[in-house]
Amino acid sequence: EPEVTQTPSHQVTQMGQEVILRCVPISNHLYFYWYRQILGQKVEFLVSFYNNEISEKSEIFDDQFSVERPDGSNFTLKIRSTKLEDSAMYFCASSEGTGTYGYTFGSGTRLTVV
Amino acid sequence: AQSVTQLGSHVSVSEGALVLLRCNYSSSVPPYLFWYVQYPNQGLQLLLKYTSAATLVKGINDFEAEFKKSETSFHLTKPSAHMSDAAEYFCAVSARMEYGNKLVFGAGTILRVKS
Repeated sequence: EPEVTQTPSHQVTQMGQEVILRCVPISNHLYFYWYRQILGQKVEFLVSFYNNEISEKSEIFDDQFSVERPDGSNFTLKIRSTKLEDSAMYFCASSEGTGTYGYTFGSGTRLTVV
Repeated sequence: AQSVTQLGSHVSVSEGALVLLRCNYSSSVPPYLFWYVQYPNQGLQLLLKYTSAATLVKGINDFEAEFKKSETSFHLTKPSAHMSDAAEYFCAVSARMEYGNKLVFGAGTILRVKS
C-alpha cells in the first residue's frame, strides 16, 4: 500500500536554529498538508498546499514557517528560527482529492528544541 | 466552524470486552467524519470514515462506527477487544477549505486493554 514517508523520524535542534522536515507524499496525490501534535495536546492543522502554493494556513503558521515542493516529489516544512514551543510531532499528509477522501499520514518527525 | 469532542481521555476495557469510544461533532454543513488510530511512536492510521453513503461504517480490525445525526455522534465500537487494540484513537471532522479539506481533531482517547 502506498505510504507517505517522513524524514528524519527524530530531530534535536538548538533554539534559534533552522530545521527542515521532509516528506514524500503519495505520487498521485494532489493535496498536501502539515499538522503538528504537541505532547499531550490535539493534532493541529498547520498548512495545506495545492497546485504549488499554500491554499490555507492556520494562525500557528507564522512567518517562521515555510513550505515548498522543490522537485515535484518532496514536500518540506522549514522552521526558520526554532523556539522551545516548536517541540512537537510534525505529521505530513496527502490526499488524492477533497471531500470524502481521507488523508494518508506519514509516521511523523519528532522535533525537540533544546 | 467544525469541532469534535471526544468523551473520556482514557478508556480501559478487558480483553474480549466491548470497546466503545465516544465522539460528538459540531458542523454547520453535512460532515465527513473519520476515526484515526495512533500506535505508540507511529503515525495516524485511518480506521474508517463516514461520507454520507451509509450511517453504519465498517473499518479495519473489526471496528465500526455509526453516524447519528440526531445525536451529532459518531461513536467507535468493536465487539471484542484485543490486546493489540491498545492505542490512542482520534475522531476528526473534515472542514472544507477552498482547496482541500482540513481535518479538525478531537483530543484523543487512550484505550487500554487489560488481560
